[in-house]
Amino acid sequence: QQQVKQSPQSLIVQKGGISIINCAYENTAFDYFPWYQQFPGKGPALLIAIRPDVSEKKEGRFTISFNKSAKQFSLHIMDSQPGDSATYFCAASGSNAGNMLTFGGGTRLMVKP
Amino acid sequence: ETGVTQSPTHLIKTRGQQVTLRCSSQSGHNTVSWYQQALGQGPQFIFQYYREEENGRGNFPPRFSGLQFPNYSSELNVNALELDDSALYLCASSLGTSASYNEQFFGPGTRLTVL
Repeated sequence: QQQVKQSPQSLIVQKGGISIINCAYENTAFDYFPWYQQFPGKGPALLIAIRPDVSEKKEGRFTISFNKSAKQFSLHIMDSQPGDSATYFCAASGSNAGNMLTFGGGTRLMVKP
Repeated sequence: ETGVTQSPTHLIKTRGQQVTLRCSSQSGHNTVSWYQQALGQGPQFIFQYYREEENGRGNFPPRFSGLQFPNYSSELNVNALELDDSALYLCASSLGTSASYNEQFFGPGTRLTVL
């Protein structure tokens, strides 16, 4: 059972545009929602994370929006750059399961110059 | 401070063989988690070790087993390899397990190919 669903699978954005990736979860015990960035040949690296007590978190060009009632969260990349081209994964974990991460299926982002 | 390292980088095995993958956790971290990432998919949790004991397990058969050593490094062992075991195996280290928001730091992974 896939507990975190991610869309779209792939995304092409022009340089300077906004990239938006969406995730939905089922398990209401989840209380931590990180986003990871993965480049080819590398392991995932934490980009930004949010807890459900806030509806939005911004770090530089990256913003997470969180809707607890809808059980959805999204990543917005403002002023997208070619260097942002990578695969992005949303994930979720809950204190009742230690910090085991459940990942979405990933979004391959390409930012065209 | 050194990051998470994994060895080997790549590995080719044949069906039915056994394999051992290794992970050195980030300095100061006492928890290691292993994930399997099939091509084009998100990582899937295999199991987690905390202070040398298994602390949680995902939906993987018993032929996937692990160890954590006193220095908090870890091994993942897979017996009776199957073609579907071909994947990138990721190790992640963190400090503690009680809080879901303890950041996990991933290594570069070991690419396993089963022929």
